[in-house]
Amino acid sequence: TQLLEQSPQFLSIQEGENLTVYCNSSSVFSSLQWYRQEPGEGPVLLVTVVTGGEVKKLKRLTFQFGDARKDSSLHITAAQPGDTGLYLCAGSSSDKLIFGTGTRLQVFP
Amino acid sequence: KAGVTQTPRYLIKTRGQQVTLSCSPISGHRSVSWYQQTPGQGLQFLFEYFSETQRNKGNFPGRFSGRQFSNSRSEMNVSTLELGDSALYLCASSTRWASTDTQYFGPGTRLTVL
Repeated sequence: TQLLEQSPQFLSIQEGENLTVYCNSSSVFSSLQWYRQEPGEGPVLLVTVVTGGEVKKLKRLTFQFGDARKDSSLHITAAQPGDTGLYLCAGSSSDKLIFGTGTRLQVFP
Repeated sequence: KAGVTQTPRYLIKTRGQQVTLSCSPISGHRSVSWYQQTPGQGLQFLFEYFSETQRNKGNFPGRFSGRQFSNSRSEMNVSTLELGDSALYLCASSTRWASTDTQYFGPGTRLTVL
């Protein structure tokens, strides 16, 4: 069974701080996606990375796909309360999308 | 363009009953996937339908079933409900396959089994 482990599981920080969320697996994925889910809503796609070593930036969010395509990271610079939510990574493999265990982020003003 | 809609949004059932959840995809999307989300297990894939055919299936018992209609709307059914079936059930639609195309999620149906 393919697993995507995310760390940390919970993160509680003050506005303005930086943070990094990790998504790790022993399996290789053809692509990896990051989602954010807010209470009462479904996950919303933030980014898709497909090439080993790829780095993508979305305003204050930086996403990196590992060289071996087994892991990924999400770095948020100067976090804001609006960044609060559940962050999920999801890997594409064997025609399925496998979701990570999730990181719940709380940013306090 | 309207997003993915799911009905009902909340449902309370008792053990042993069955339940049917509905999902209307974004217009033009032919793939609908279903997921179960729980605090303990996270987001787990149930099945994917594409053009009325089940294309992929996760590791769930046969009590969980689904279907897709010619207008791409999908339903999932859970029979003989158990307490452990309490979860948020999410559906997602995409133009083609869930593993390659962007998925758009609905708000989910919160099922509580008493």
